[in-house]
Formats: sequence, C-alpha cells, structure tokens
Amino acid sequence: NAGVMQNPRHLVRRRGQEARLRCSPMKGHSHVYWYRQLPEEGLKFMVYLQKENIIDESGMPKERFSAEFPKEGPSILRIQQVVRGDSAAYFCASSPPAGRNTGELFFGEGSRLTVL
Amino acid sequence: KQEVTQIPAALSVPEGENLVLNCSFTDSAIYNLQWFRQDPGKGLTSLLLIQSSQREQTSGRLNASLDKSSGRSTLYIAASQPGDSATYLCAVPTDSWGKLQFGAGTQVVVTP
Repeated sequence: NAGVMQNPRHLVRRRGQEARLRCSPMKGHSHVYWYRQLPEEGLKFMVYLQKENIIDESGMPKERFSAEFPKEGPSILRIQQVVRGDSAAYFCASSPPAGRNTGELFFGEGSRLTVL
Repeated sequence: KQEVTQIPAALSVPEGENLVLNCSFTDSAIYNLQWFRQDPGKGLTSLLLIQSSQREQTSGRLNASLDKSSGRSTLYIAASQPGDSATYLCAVPTDSWGKLQFGAGTQVVVTP
C-alpha cells in the first residue's frame, strides 16, 4: 500500500528554467494538496486540487506557478522561470474523498528544489 | 486569521525522560488538530489526529490532549528514546480540511 509518491526527490535548476514536480496520491485518495517549506520557515499551503479541478489556489504565488491534477496521471506543480527564492521543499499531501475523510492528511517525502 | 504557535522552539532531554510539547491556536473553532513528525530532509509523518469532539488521543507512547476553549493542545511522549529526535509540528485546518495552518515546530533532541 504505497504512500504519497513524489518525484523527483531533488531537482536543481538554473534561474529562468522550468521546474515540474509530480505527485501521485495514495491509492483511493482523490484530494491533493501542495505545500511549500522555505528554508527556516514553516510549511505554507499553496493549492488544493481534485481530479480536473482546482478547488483552492489562495496560497499560490500569482505569477509563474501553476498546478494541475488531470483525470489520468499524477498531479503536477509547475514553476516557470525559476528564481533563487523558489528554492524550497515542496510537499504533496492527499486525503480520501468526502464520506471517508476523517480530516487526516498524508504527506509525501517532498521534492527539494535548488535554484542556482 | 488562525495563528498556530509552538513552544518551546527547541528541546533537549536525556533518554528516558518524558517529553511535553505545546501547541496553541488563536481561533477555537477548529475541526480537528493533527500532530506530525518531520525528520531532517524527510517528509511529514502523521502521529495523531484529534477530532474537535475529542479531548485526547493515544498511540503507543504518544498522547495528545486538546482543549478547544483555551486554544491548546499538548503532545506527551513517554520514556523518550534517541529515535524520537525530530521536529514535531502541529496543524489545524482553516476553511477546508486539507488547508492546514502549521506551527513552526519544536525541534527535539533526545540524548543517549
């Protein structure tokens, strides 16, 4: 019973390049959340998605960041034209659909982005 | 706006002592409160989830209490071991279950 799978675990990009982070939720989970942990800062909510729908993106920076959760395949967090301030650990979490949801979130191991 | 505070920021104890970690939140209208453990360079492991109707939750050596009226939760770890060394985070949902507001964490070191 695999947990939340994130890849890549580590990603190095130069300024101006694009970063794509992928997240496969736990089996049977239909809700995906992305969080960011900046160095020496706490975890901050970015976006909440269900299949083919963005439910809440109130924590996403207005520019360069986008997220999707297609009908098939993993959820993707995309950062265009990365800058040094994007260097952080990006965590994905998932939860079951309503009706089986106790409110507990299950997190992946994270993707650590370094921008040179 | 919900704010979550964890005190102390860091804690060092000798092996065998009990650990007491505190979490406070400003808005008592919470659905639940979740405690996590984070090891360096790793993800978050869910330890305990306390629903708003519960006063405490236990799992092995871990016990978490919740006092909504005073806006506090306490995580107790009995008979600490070096393997308990990690950062412990508490979090409460804001306007949806998965939109968590995290505390800054308590970094715990248990010395042999």
